[in-house]
Amino acid sequence: GAVVSQHPSWVICKSGTSVKIECRSLDFQATTMFWYRQFPKQSLMLMATSNEGSKATYEQGVEKDKFLINHASLTLSTLTVTSAHPEDSSFYICSARTTGSYGYTFGSGTRLTVV
Amino acid sequence: GQQLNQSPQSMFIQEGEDVSMNCTSSSIFNTWLWYKQDPGEGPVLLIALYKAGELTSNGRLTAQFGITRKDSFLNISASIPSDVGIYFCAGEDFGNEKLTFGTGTRLTIIP
Repeated sequence: GAVVSQHPSWVICKSGTSVKIECRSLDFQATTMFWYRQFPKQSLMLMATSNEGSKATYEQGVEKDKFLINHASLTLSTLTVTSAHPEDSSFYICSARTTGSYGYTFGSGTRLTVV
Repeated sequence: GQQLNQSPQSMFIQEGEDVSMNCTSSSIFNTWLWYKQDPGEGPVLLIALYKAGELTSNGRLTAQFGITRKDSFLNISASIPSDVGIYFCAGEDFGNEKLTFGTGTRLTIIP
C-alpha cells in the first residue's frame, strides 16, 4: 500500500532558529501534499496544500512567510518553520495523494518543541 | 478553519462492549472518511464512504454515509484493547481536494 515517510519524528530547537520537516511518498507519486498542525487534544488543522512544481496554497490565518513549503518533486515536500517560537510547538503531520486516487496517506508526524 | 462536530467527545467502555460515534456537519460532503490516531502517530484510514446512504464494513467496524450527506456514524463491535485511541471523521468536497477533520472521539477501555 501507499506509504508516506515523515522525518524527523521529533525535534527540539531553540527559539529563533529554523526547522525543516520532510515528507516523502515512498511507493507512489504524490501530485498533492498537505500539511497539518495538531495541538494537544485537538483535531488536525490544515495549514497548506502543495502541488508539485507550484506554490503552496495556505489556509486562512497561516503565515506563508513563516511556514515555507517546497514541493520540488513528486515524492518530496518540505515544511520549514522559520524563526520558530515556543507557540509553534506542535505536532506537524503531512499527507499525500496522487491524482485520480481516493486515498489520502498520512505520515507519522513530527513533534516540534521550541525552547 | 471549519471543523466537523463529533460526538461523543470521549468514551469510557469495558472490553467487549459495542461503540457508536457520529459526525455532523453544516455542509455537504461527497466523501466521508474515518481515521484512527494512536498517540504520537499520524491518522490511519479505517473506512471510506463515497455515496450517500452507503453502509460499509471493515471487520468489526461499520460506517454509514448519511442520506443528507451532512453526517456519518462509525460503530465498533466487541471492542478490544487495541481499539483505544482517537477516532476522527473527515469530509471531502468534490472538486475541493482537501479534508476537513472532525473534533475527534477519544476511546478508552476500562480494565
